[in-house]
Amino acid sequence: DARVTQTPRHKVTEMGQEVTMRCQPILGHNTVFWYRQTMMQGLELLAYFRNRAPLDDSGMPKDRFSAEMPDATLATLKIQPSEPRDSAVYFCASGLGGTAHTEAFFGQGTRLTVV
Amino acid sequence: QQPVQSPQAVILREGEDAVINCSSSKALYSVHWYRQKHGEAPIFLMILLKGGEQKGHDKISASFNEKKQQSSLYLTASQLSYSGTYFCGTENWLRTGTASKLTFGTGTRLQVTL
Repeated sequence: DARVTQTPRHKVTEMGQEVTMRCQPILGHNTVFWYRQTMMQGLELLAYFRNRAPLDDSGMPKDRFSAEMPDATLATLKIQPSEPRDSAVYFCASGLGGTAHTEAFFGQGTRLTVV
Repeated sequence: QQPVQSPQAVILREGEDAVINCSSSKALYSVHWYRQKHGEAPIFLMILLKGGEQKGHDKISASFNEKKQQSSLYLTASQLSYSGTYFCGTENWLRTGTASKLTFGTGTRLQVTL
């Protein structure tokens, strides 16, 4: 059963701490997306990679967020330092090809709470 | 540019039909539809590309009107399992001749009751 796996599922941290979220895309998928979902803003695209290369990270606050793909089976999203306004559900999704023709398969998300 | 969805919420009785609209202020390249149940991940429904096509999936179908820069999702003979929040995501044409990144609307909450 192919699925996108995200860890951790829940994270509570104190303001100022570093947070790392991990994602294992579906084997064979070459496009990975990071989304953030909040009640106020809805689903926002933070960054996406194709063939491990970052294509667009304009949705990320550059001073504190960073996204990487160390290898084809792992994508990471880091926040340092974290702030209460970062509290949200962070979704990773993977797909084949470009965004125009890609069905994105979403992971179950990481619910982040920064206190 | 975030697409605008309407209505924001709708309540249906099982068996009734619903239409959810998604409008963009810029020329559309593609429209993606997803459904998300509370506490779960969004699930892909369909993608429509420019050309005014219509797609269907069981009793859920969608149209894409390039001229009007909008897409509509049609839910026919709704079932309890259709309950959830429906999101449209759009890619717009850029001056460079390429597509913008995918941007989602704020969602339409659909509740189907007995």
